[in-house]
Amino acid sequence: QQQVKQSPQSLIVQKGGISIINCAYENTAFDYFPWYQQFPGKGPALLIAIRPDVSEKKEGRFTISFNKSAKQFSLHIMDSQPGDSATYFCAASRGGNFNKFYFGSGTKLNVKP
Amino acid sequence: EAQVTQNPRYLITVTGKKLTVTCSQNMNHEYMSWYRQDPGLGLRQIYYSMNVEVTDKGDVPEGYKVSRKEKRNFPLILESPSPNQTSLYFCASGRGFNEQYFGPGTRLTVT
Repeated sequence: QQQVKQSPQSLIVQKGGISIINCAYENTAFDYFPWYQQFPGKGPALLIAIRPDVSEKKEGRFTISFNKSAKQFSLHIMDSQPGDSATYFCAASRGGNFNKFYFGSGTKLNVKP
Repeated sequence: EAQVTQNPRYLITVTGKKLTVTCSQNMNHEYMSWYRQDPGLGLRQIYYSMNVEVTDKGDVPEGYKVSRKEKRNFPLILESPSPNQTSLYFCASGRGFNEQYFGPGTRLTVT
């Protein structure tokens, strides 16, 4: 059973548009929710992360929205650019500093010029 | 340059032939971890280590072994590889609250 469910599997957005990727989880013990970005042939890289004590975190064009009661969190990419074309993974972990990590299945984003 | 290195980057082997994938980091991180990435399944954690001589199972540890004798190294051992272990493997290390740095990946094919 997958601990973190991610959707959609793939996403096509026009340049300048908003990309939205959603994740849901069941385990209320999770206390750290990162998003990773992966380009072809590379390892994932941390993009942005949030803890459940805040409902939103913004870094440049990237925003995480977090809904604790619904056990959902999402990544919004504003003014999407072709250079944002990559695979995005949400993840969750629990238990203080460094424990098990659970990743979503990934979303392949294609931003068309 | 701060980095996580993995070797080999590509490996084709046969069923049952023991192999080791090495992972090394030069950032003095306490935490290291191994993941496998498969299409449609995302990344799944195999093993992780909080520090030297401290390791624990992730979500999919069956068929794998690890050891952490030095802080910088965390090799992944497949004692008897099988075709269902064909995958893309990533090593990661981290310090500070949950931030992980990933290596470039090792693509393993078991025939």
